[in-house]
Amino acid sequence: SQQGEEDPQALSIQEGENATMNCSYKTSINNLQWYRQNSGRGLVHLILIRSNEREKHSGRLRVTLDTSKKSSSLLITASRAADTASYFCATVSTGRRALTFGSGTRLQVQP
Amino acid sequence: DAGVIQSPRHEVTEMGQEVTLRCKPISGHNSLFWYRQTMMRGLELLIYFNNNVPIDDSGMPEDRFSAKMPNASFSTLKIQPSEPRDSAVYFCASSIILPPASGGTRLVNEQFFGPGTRLTVL
Repeated sequence: SQQGEEDPQALSIQEGENATMNCSYKTSINNLQWYRQNSGRGLVHLILIRSNEREKHSGRLRVTLDTSKKSSSLLITASRAADTASYFCATVSTGRRALTFGSGTRLQVQP
Repeated sequence: DAGVIQSPRHEVTEMGQEVTLRCKPISGHNSLFWYRQTMMRGLELLIYFNNNVPIDDSGMPEDRFSAKMPNASFSTLKIQPSEPRDSAVYFCASSIILPPASGGTRLVNEQFFGPGTRLTVL
């Protein structure tokens, strides 16, 4: 079964609105990371949150982590058309060194 | 730094041909990862290396796939013979994985991805 499932699969909002994406995972983790992928490009790291952290901010990004529910959320505030991309969560399971990626959320921000 | 470099960016080949994808990781990174991305299966880890040694190749789909890392600055992913179902975008990524602190666990940090190689097998 796939570690890291994003919800929703697709999200369309207007510029200026907030976008919230959720991620659920199955095993104990070391950390959880969020990545962004523009169409036709490689993935770009956005933010990393460790298993002992509950919330982290970076610019317009806010990430929360609830290890008891095995879930995380990514909030993009005041979205811009340039935020249009696919967003992936990735987990590092305890004892492993590799990331396991979810299926991603496709975000469309309408200007 | 130029980031992770992959070549070629696009490859179109016929079924049965050998395909070699190349990757140059970021200098100083000690771990390298090969991924495959398709619409149906998403992003899949194929294999990763730490200090040039393959650590986990359980994601390699078949014996037709092989990967090498002869030195810290170069890796190849080879498919021989290629099949149409191998058509995908192949990404290479590198990162720094720190050894565990005393009594601790390894620190797995962010990965830096290359632009990918779009492979089409006809």
